[in-house]
Amino acid sequence: AQSVTQPDIHITVSEGASLELRCNYSYGATPYLFWYVQSPGQGLQLLLKYFSGDTLVQGIKGFEAEFKRSQSSFNLRKPSVHWSDAAEYFCAVGGNAGNNRKLIWGLGTSLAVNP
Amino acid sequence: GAGVSQSPSNKVTEKGKDVELRCDPISGHTALYWYRQSLGQGLEFLIYFQGNSAPDKSGLPSDRFSAERTGGSVSTLTIQRTQQEDSAVYLCASSLAGTGGWNEQFFGPGTRLTVL
Repeated sequence: AQSVTQPDIHITVSEGASLELRCNYSYGATPYLFWYVQSPGQGLQLLLKYFSGDTLVQGIKGFEAEFKRSQSSFNLRKPSVHWSDAAEYFCAVGGNAGNNRKLIWGLGTSLAVNP
Repeated sequence: GAGVSQSPSNKVTEKGKDVELRCDPISGHTALYWYRQSLGQGLEFLIYFQGNSAPDKSGLPSDRFSAERTGGSVSTLTIQRTQQEDSAVYLCASSLAGTGGWNEQFFGPGTRLTVL
């Protein structure tokens, strides 16, 4: 069965520090992988996605993620965190059964940023 | 252009009452998804529409939950005889058709349902 694990429920970093949010997935084939961000009072916004090709993908707001098939991981990184990055981050894997592109989600990682 | 809209934004109801949640997808998006976000459970897939048909209803938690879509546009999620465990944020997303590659799902702001 498809599943996504985000091992860290909550992370606190200082502004300007680097960030890595972990994501592990279980999927029987090559997955479609996603990171979404949910800021307080805001809807879910797509940060980046991986379908195939280059395993290092760039997204919006200076985020990047690396797909590692051997580790079944798709960790999100940012070299220097800004206070506005405080939010909930969700990793998701996309199904590809027929035309159904439903998303299977991790439980999320809440990011707090200290000034 | 307008994004995905959902109404109401908040709904408080009493246990045992029926509720209807509405989703207006982005114009031209033929695929529509309902998800539920609740504490401790994260985001869960409920149902997928392609046009007016629902090929995948596997995420609906019980037969108290149903959804329909009319005119290939607006969708309504109905919960009958609500229970306290139905309290959650219900999110709707839409995308272009899922054929071939992947099309980004755009999410609405959600409806927060509270069952007293």
